[in-house]
Amino acid sequence: AQRVTQPEKLLSVFKGAPVELKCNYSYSGSPELFWYVQYSRQRLQLLLRHISRESIKGFTADLNKGETSFHLKKPFAQEEDSAMYYCALSTSGSRLTFGEGTQLTVNP
Amino acid sequence: DADVTQTPRNRITKTGKRIMLECSQTKGHDRMYWYRQDPGLGLRLIYYSFDVKDINKGEISDGYSVSRQAQAKFSLSLESAIPNQTALYFCATSASRWEAQHFGDGTRLSIL
Repeated sequence: AQRVTQPEKLLSVFKGAPVELKCNYSYSGSPELFWYVQYSRQRLQLLLRHISRESIKGFTADLNKGETSFHLKKPFAQEEDSAMYYCALSTSGSRLTFGEGTQLTVNP
Repeated sequence: DADVTQTPRNRITKTGKRIMLECSQTKGHDRMYWYRQDPGLGLRLIYYSFDVKDINKGEISDGYSVSRQAQAKFSLSLESAIPNQTALYFCATSASRWEAQHFGDGTRLSIL
């Protein structure tokens, strides 16, 4: 069975500091991984997906199959990055399995 | 952006009542999903549908049922609501497995 783990429920950093949100997964097949973000009073929305290998709002995430991880990183956090972040795994059955979420707070 | 619309936005009801949450979309996507969000548990899949004739159970389908009335409409029902079904419920759509899921604003359901 597939599983996604985000070990940090809360993460607090100062503006300008680097930030890394951890995501580990377990799945025996070929994974498709996503990061979704939910800003205050907004809808849950896609931030990035590993197949695109793109950087969105300064965030990047690299799939490490050896460590079964898909950590989200940003070199310089901004206050507007404060939000709830969810890592999600799509499997061959086309279902998304979400992690528990990490609430990121960027302090001024 | 009202591509995925959920009604109602908030609902308070009593134990034992039947409740229907509705979702409609204008994105033209075949795939639709219902999730519930609980603090500390993330989003968990209740039911999903890949087209009008295809309905599948998710990881927590007990106590829930769904109806896919048309490509654009996917309803979630609680036949006899119980307090531990108090949660935030989200509908989502997608074009394919590799594409993003697009979420509605959610329905906050409280069962007393």
